[in-house]
Amino acid sequence: DVKVTQSSRYLVKRTGEKVFLECVQDMDHENMFWYRQDPGLGLRLIYFSYDVKMKEKGDIPEGYSVSREKKERFSLILESASTNQTSMYLCASSLIPTDNEQFFGPGTRLTVL
Amino acid sequence: KNQVEQSPQSLIILEGKNCTLQCNYTVSPFSNLRWYKQDTGRGPVSLTIMTFSENTKSNGRYTATLDADTKQSSLHITASQLSDSASYICVVSPSGGSYIPTFGRGTSLIVHP
Repeated sequence: DVKVTQSSRYLVKRTGEKVFLECVQDMDHENMFWYRQDPGLGLRLIYFSYDVKMKEKGDIPEGYSVSREKKERFSLILESASTNQTSMYLCASSLIPTDNEQFFGPGTRLTVL
Repeated sequence: KNQVEQSPQSLIILEGKNCTLQCNYTVSPFSNLRWYKQDTGRGPVSLTIMTFSENTKSNGRYTATLDADTKQSSLHITASQLSDSASYICVVSPSGGSYIPTFGRGTSLIVHP
C-alpha cells in the first residue's frame, strides 16, 4: 500500500526558531513536493524535487528551504520561523512525469508563536 | 498564468441528496484533470482522472465530466452520504511532462443527516 509519512502531526514553535519538517515515501517515487494549505487559499506549492539533490522553487519559496539527500526523504526547513508561517504543511510524492497522481501525507499543522 | 477556479466555495446538503461541483480552468496545453477528495485532517486522495479525449468518468457515486472545449469540469455526487463531507479539489496538469499541476482552492462539502 502506498504510503507517505510526515514526522509530526502537530508542531508548536517560537518565532525565530529553525524548524525541520520531514517527509518519507516508500513508493520509490522520483518526484516529491511540499505544499502549505491555508483556509480560502487552497494548496500552494513551496518547493518540489524531481531527483536526489535536485530542487525547484514553487510559487511561495520565500522563507523556506529544502533538502533531499535520499530518494525517499524530502525535508522542508524554516530557517527562522515567523508567525505568518503558521499553516498546514502537506508533503506529496509522484512518479515522473509530474502530471501523475500525487500521493499525500497526513499533513503537519505548524503553529508559530 | 494557469488558473483553476472552483465553485461553490462551500456547500451544505442533506444526506441522500445529489450535488454538483464545478471547476473552470485556463491551463494550456492541457494534459489531464483530477478531482481529489480531502477528508478533515488528512491529505487529499485522487478520485478520478480525465484526459482530453474523455467526457465522463465514474467512481462509484462520483461522476466527473469534462468539456475540453469550454475548459470546464464538474463532479457529481449521487445519493450523498455523511462520509462525503470533505473538501473536493480540482487539479489540472499541463502537457509537457515536466510541468507542475495547478490546484483549485477546493469546494467544502458538508452533508447533514
